[in-house]
Amino acid sequence: GAGVSQSPSNKVTEKGKDVELRCDPISGHTALYWYRQSLGQGLEFLIYFQGNSAPDKSGLPSDRFSAERTGGSVSTLTIQRTQQEDSAVYLCASSFLAGGKVDTQYFGPGTRLTVL
Amino acid sequence: AQSVSQHNHHVILSEAASLELGCNYSYGGTVNLFWYVQYPGQHLQLLLKYFSGDPLVKGIKGFEAEFIKSKFSFNLRKPSVQWSDTAEYFCAVNARTGGFKTIFGAGTRLFVKA
Repeated sequence: GAGVSQSPSNKVTEKGKDVELRCDPISGHTALYWYRQSLGQGLEFLIYFQGNSAPDKSGLPSDRFSAERTGGSVSTLTIQRTQQEDSAVYLCASSFLAGGKVDTQYFGPGTRLTVL
Repeated sequence: AQSVSQHNHHVILSEAASLELGCNYSYGGTVNLFWYVQYPGQHLQLLLKYFSGDPLVKGIKGFEAEFIKSKFSFNLRKPSVQWSDTAEYFCAVNARTGGFKTIFGAGTRLFVKA
């Protein structure tokens, strides 16, 4: 079946502009995660959604970052007033969680964001 | 706060050499542990995982990892690497009392010389 998809694959924007990054998880997956991957920094957790529970936003670096998940499926990560330090690859992952237990995350190809 | 340390950022090996990549985490409670791999041009994918039971877990492509609770470690091993193992390897930890949040290490880039 289809994997996790993300769009756009590349985004170049000017400092101060807003951007929206989209993630389509695997159908039926209850959990959706956003990470940021910078050179030498590994994967930085941003936020996760699980079912109808309130999202865990503890990793969002500032109030310029927000995310929503509509209808328990597609998610959008929004970065307002982008800064050059926001340049990174933004990865989305989804997982089927059962029994309240973390399990394998399936990753998308990422969106490479460049802020000029 | 949880953290995950991967000691080697870059490793270069010749084919047939043995591999061990270190991973330590800083959480004293019960954890779920993962190794993910990203081959050049591909998505991140699961290599192996540990939830409970036998602390020596086996994954795909001949990889294994050992959970040593007393050392807060989950090192990845492979007895004999191949050129196709060239990739970036990430250790990840979920604290069971921390919901579904998963913390990843900085990654180790492995280059295997043919």
